[in-house]
Amino acid sequence: KQEVTQIPAALSVPEGENLVLNCSFTDSAIYNLQWFRQDPGKGLTSLLLIQSSQREQTSGRLNASLDKSSGRSTLYIAASQPGDSATYLCAVGNNDMRFGAGTRLTVKP
Amino acid sequence: ETGVTQTPRHLVMGMTNKKSLKCEQHLGHNAMYWYKQSAKKPLELMFVYSLEERVENNSVPSRFSPECPNSSHLFLHLHTLQPEDSALYLCASSQGGAGLTNYGYTFGSGTRLTVV
Repeated sequence: KQEVTQIPAALSVPEGENLVLNCSFTDSAIYNLQWFRQDPGKGLTSLLLIQSSQREQTSGRLNASLDKSSGRSTLYIAASQPGDSATYLCAVGNNDMRFGAGTRLTVKP
Repeated sequence: ETGVTQTPRHLVMGMTNKKSLKCEQHLGHNAMYWYKQSAKKPLELMFVYSLEERVENNSVPSRFSPECPNSSHLFLHLHTLQPEDSALYLCASSQGGAGLTNYGYTFGSGTRLTVV
């Protein structure tokens, strides 16, 4: 069964810093890896989707990479802003996406 | 507006009540999902429907009963729940399903369920 781990569990940075969130998974035979953002008490907002044939995706200040052979993905956030404060979740799978526990990010003004 | 609408947003129910959660997607997707999010735990996949057929049931207790009458609607019927069932219940949809490439999930805002 696929297991997904996210490190660190929590991260606090000053505004303007670049940062990296990590996601690892045990079964490299994946279809998709998707990064989400969740604000407190809310649903999940999709940030980036990387399909198994792709190595990275970019959207604005966000860049996600995928290394299937090592079972890892990173989410890079450039020039962080207080509005980026949220929990970031990665999910792996196809029609049975499995989630990590998330990284709670706080960006201080 | 995410394209996936869940109602109600909040629900408080007693252990002997029967209630239903509703999910509707306006994206033309053909697969729908129920997830449970408890405090300090990863999202847990409960049920998967692909082309209106249930393709996965992750050992969920029978007090949770899903229903998918068509590709746009998904229900979760609840009865005789326990306090430990209190959680955020999230619905998602996607294009693709069993045996097909999935193009990513879209989630609703969730129903915050409290069992008293």
